[in-house]
Amino acid sequence: KAGVTQTPRYLIKTRGQQVTLSCSPISGHRSVSWYQQTPGQGLQFLFEYFSETQRNKGNFPGRFSGRQFSNSRSEMNVSTLELGDSALYLCASSLGPGDTQETQYFGPGTRLLVL
Amino acid sequence: AQKVTQAQTEISVVEKEDVTLDCVYETRDTTYYLFWYKQPPSGELVFLIRRNSFDEQNEISGRYSWNFQKSTSSFNFTITASQVVDSAVYFCALIRTAAGNKLTFGGGTRVLVKP
Repeated sequence: KAGVTQTPRYLIKTRGQQVTLSCSPISGHRSVSWYQQTPGQGLQFLFEYFSETQRNKGNFPGRFSGRQFSNSRSEMNVSTLELGDSALYLCASSLGPGDTQETQYFGPGTRLLVL
Repeated sequence: AQKVTQAQTEISVVEKEDVTLDCVYETRDTTYYLFWYKQPPSGELVFLIRRNSFDEQNEISGRYSWNFQKSTSSFNFTITASQVVDSAVYFCALIRTAAGNKLTFGGGTRVLVKP
């Protein structure tokens, strides 16, 4: 079974631009969560989607948004990029909704560099 | 609020030595789940183990073993007879049952196994 895939793997943007990252979950998984990893803040939860609905959101500004499609694929968008948005963005998928606390399996991440 | 602490930021060992990674967590919940993930240089988080708060039985899987002690809020991880391929960053994480899929991660411990 194929794992979680994320595209693109690497991205370079300039301040003020916006970016869209994509995540395809493991086949059959319906829950997708996003995390940001930086050297300073570590791994931080961004949001979680199940059945096209955002179920949970971390403490990030409104510039960070996401959505989930009917095939469980998810995208996250960051608008008006700032230098501090440079990070590894990780997507994770799990079988059911968050209230079952099932194991999350992670993709390889998208490394975003904002210049 | 919940918190996960990995006091060791980096551990360096010679191949075949044992290495133990410490993890201490804080939560007011009585029901929660604990995880260990491995992050090799490629960046992907690899799932290692999941434990619920009611299961304090220690576990061994090959060269890996885990010691869960609820009384001290610790969930330590030991690699026996380490190998160069074990070099990675290891993360301990916690999910509260009331927090959906939101994983709270520790800061990670970098393990360097020298030949």
